[in-house]
Order: sequence, then structure tokens, then C-alpha cells
Amino acid sequence: AQSVTQLDSQVPVFEEAPVELRCNYSSSVSVYLFWYVQYPNQGLQLLLKYLSGSTLVKGINGFEAEFNKSQTSFHLRKPSVHISDTAEYFCAVSDLRGSQGNLIFGKGTKLSVKP
Amino acid sequence: SQTIHQWPATLVQPVGSPLSLECTVEGTSNPNLYWYRQAAGRGLQLLFYSVGIGQISSEVPQNLSASRPQDRQFILSSKKLLLSDSGFYLCAWSRGGPAETQYFGPGTRLLVL
Repeated sequence: AQSVTQLDSQVPVFEEAPVELRCNYSSSVSVYLFWYVQYPNQGLQLLLKYLSGSTLVKGINGFEAEFNKSQTSFHLRKPSVHISDTAEYFCAVSDLRGSQGNLIFGKGTKLSVKP
Repeated sequence: SQTIHQWPATLVQPVGSPLSLECTVEGTSNPNLYWYRQAAGRGLQLLFYSVGIGQISSEVPQNLSASRPQDRQFILSSKKLLLSDSGFYLCAWSRGGPAETQYFGPGTRLLVL
């Protein structure tokens, strides 16, 4: 079975500062990795995903994430955040062998960008 | 392009009352469909998924049920709501397979009193 741990439930940061949101996963099989963002009172939308190839993945809104297999991590980064990045961010994994495409989500990290 | 709709947007129901939440997808055919519940501090919990009409898989035993009467329609129901059913319910669709993106609806906020 897979599990996802997002160590930080809340991350406050000032505008234009860099940010890293941490994600670690546990799985006995290979997985695909995803980051989703949820703005207040909305559904989730995909930021980026890692399937194969380069371990550095670039997504929308200037975010990027790096897959580290040895550390089973997939941390999300942005070099300079904006007020509009205030949202909740979810890391998720899916089993390569699963045909249903079911995702296992972490509990989320609330990013709060202050002026 | 594809769109996903959920209604109602918000719902306040008394304990013991029935529930019906609806989700419809446009612009695609034979999607995988998912129901999630999001409770504060607990992330997203997958409740049900469906790979086709009439095919429902339950991930968590509870007093909720799901049905898929049409290819692009997914319904979440309950005969008698509990206080613990309160939360934000999200419907999602994908093209199936572990690499595919899931596309989420706007959600329904349910408050059981």
C-alpha cells in the first residue's frame, strides 16, 4: 500500500520569497507523483506530475518539483511567490500497476503568502 | 473541451435525512469517475470510483452509496445522514490509467446539523 506524508500543514511566507513544500511517499512499488493546488472553496487542479525521465518537473504558475527516488521525496518549489499563490497544495501518488488511476493524497499544506 | 459540474454547491441537511449529490461530465466519453470527501485536516479521502456504467467500487465502508446510471453521470447518495458526513465533496474524472490527470469539479459543501 502507498502513503503520502506532507510534513508541514501550514507554511507562511512573505511575497517574493522562495518556498518549498515537502512531500514524502512510501510505496513498495513504483509510483507516479502529482502535485495539485486548491484555491479557497474550489476543486483541485493539477500543478505538475512526474511520470518518467528528468527528475526535475516544471509545472504551471512557475512551480517545479524534483523527484528523489533514494529519499522517496517529491518536494515542490517556487523561487518567488505571489499573493495569488495562497492556496492549499496536495501531493499524491498513483500505483503504476493500477488500471483505475486511483490517487493517494497527502493531507495538504496550506501556503499563506503575506505582503 | 471537457467540463465537470457538481450540484448543489452548498447543502444544509438535518441528521437522518437523505442525500443526493450529482456530478456530470461533458466533452468526453467513458471517463473514470471518482467521489472524494475532504474534511478539515484530513486531506482527500476517496469514497467511490467507477470505470463504467453501473460499475461502482467502494473504498471506505460507510452509510454512503454511489451510482452511475449514465456514462457521464455520477451520483452520491445516503438514506440517513450522520453528523460525521459533513464535509466538502469533490467529484473528479480521468481518462483512466495511473498516469492520467484527474480533473475535479467545484465541489459541494455539506453541513449536517
